[in-house]
Amino acid sequence: DAKTTQPNSMESNEEEPVHLPCNHSTISGTDYIHWYRQLPSQGPEYVIHGLTSNVNNRMASLAIAEDRKSSTLILHRATLRDAAVYYCIHMEYGNKLVFGAGTILRVKS
Amino acid sequence: NAGVMQNPRHLVRRRGQEARLRCSPMKGHSHVYWYRQLPEEGLKFMVYLQKENIIDESGMPKERFSAEFPKEGPSILRIQQVVRGDSAAYFCASSPRGGGNLYEQYFGPGTRLTVT
Repeated sequence: DAKTTQPNSMESNEEEPVHLPCNHSTISGTDYIHWYRQLPSQGPEYVIHGLTSNVNNRMASLAIAEDRKSSTLILHRATLRDAAVYYCIHMEYGNKLVFGAGTILRVKS
Repeated sequence: NAGVMQNPRHLVRRRGQEARLRCSPMKGHSHVYWYRQLPEEGLKFMVYLQKENIIDESGMPKERFSAEFPKEGPSILRIQQVVRGDSAAYFCASSPRGGGNLYEQYFGPGTRLTVT
């Protein structure tokens, strides 16, 4: 199964940007990078995904390194509601999401 | 547009009983996935189904667990003769298409199974 490496935890202040890094050094050319998050006692929630180019949506931005071995999820203005576990998933062909331990994001008011 | 629905939200079973977990995917989605989250552990893929077909069951325990997604009605995850180790949160997800790695999955709120 595809492996990603993320910091165990990060902390941010409310209203400030947050950059969540992820390493996926074994990624192949057709594997997408997906990000999901899980708020306490809830199901995972899709955040964003991309292949090569940087991606933006209403929730976040995804910056993908040129060699695709790493990526960064950017929350432009963290709110208390963004406190969650963030999972970076290097998705191989086949639809199966392989979740690692993720990064616990704490947001301070 | 209703999201993925799961019921029951909480289920208590005694050891040896059967547990049936139901999942209704988002409207227009014909691909369903089941994941399990054991206490203090990460989410693990169990099975991927399309209507009337099991596509990938590589994460399903070999015994006591089965899943179906009939032509009509919700997807069902069935656990026979439950044991305490089955206590976990079971999440269902759906996607509009499958067969690739670029379609996002939308998750339900989960069913929390407790085996006493």
